[in-house]
Amino acid sequence: EDQVTQSPEALRLQEGESSSLNCSYTVSGLRGLFWYRQDPGKGPEFLFTLYSAGEEKEKERLKATLTKKESFLHITAPKPEDSATYLCAVQASTNKLIFGTGTLLAVQP
Amino acid sequence: DVKVTQSSRYLVKRTGEKVFLECVQDMDHENMFWYRQDPGLGLRLIYFSYDVKMKEKGDIPEGYSVSREKKERFSLILESASTNQTSMYLCASSLKRRELFFGSGTQLSVL
Repeated sequence: EDQVTQSPEALRLQEGESSSLNCSYTVSGLRGLFWYRQDPGKGPEFLFTLYSAGEEKEKERLKATLTKKESFLHITAPKPEDSATYLCAVQASTNKLIFGTGTLLAVQP
Repeated sequence: DVKVTQSSRYLVKRTGEKVFLECVQDMDHENMFWYRQDPGLGLRLIYFSYDVKMKEKGDIPEGYSVSREKKERFSLILESASTNQTSMYLCASSLKRRELFFGSGTQLSVL
C-alpha cells in the first residue's frame, strides 16, 4: 500500500537553530515528491519537486533532499516567519498523489 | 503567478442544504482537484478533472458531486449537507500532472 509518513508531527525551534523534517514513503514507482508550506487558514503553497534519488533543491533557508525511501527538508538558521505546517506529497506511477499529515514547525524568537 | 480563487473563505450552512463551492484558475491548467482537509487526516481527494466535462472520483466522493463546464472553473456540490462535511475545502489546479497550485480554501461549517 502506498504510504507517506512525516515526522516529527510538531517541532519547536529557537530562532537560528537548524533542523530537519522527515518524509518517508513507500510507493509503487515514484514519479515525484513534493514539498508544500501551509500557513494557518490558508491553502498549501508549493515549495519543491524532487524526481530522483540524490536530487537536491534549495530556496532561501530551505533545502530538500531525496533518497529512495525518504526526503528531508533541512531548515538552516530558521526565523519566526518560517513557522508553518510543512506537507510532503508523493506521486505514484499511477499519478495518484498521496499526502502526509504534515509537520507543524514553530520558530520562537 | 498561478492564481486559484475560491469563492468563499468561510461558509456556514444548515443540515440538508445544497451547497456550491466555486473555484476558478487563471493559468489554463487542464487538471483541477477538490480536497478536504481535516486535523489528523491530512488532505483527502474528493474529485478531480483532467479536462472540461470530465470528472473522476477520488478517495472520498460520497455525498459530493462536481461540475466542470469551462476549463477554468471547477465546482464542488454538496447535494444535502451533513455535519460530517464540516471541513476545510481546498481547490487545486495543475499542468500536465505536475505540482498542484492551491486556492486559499473554504472553511465550511454545517450546523
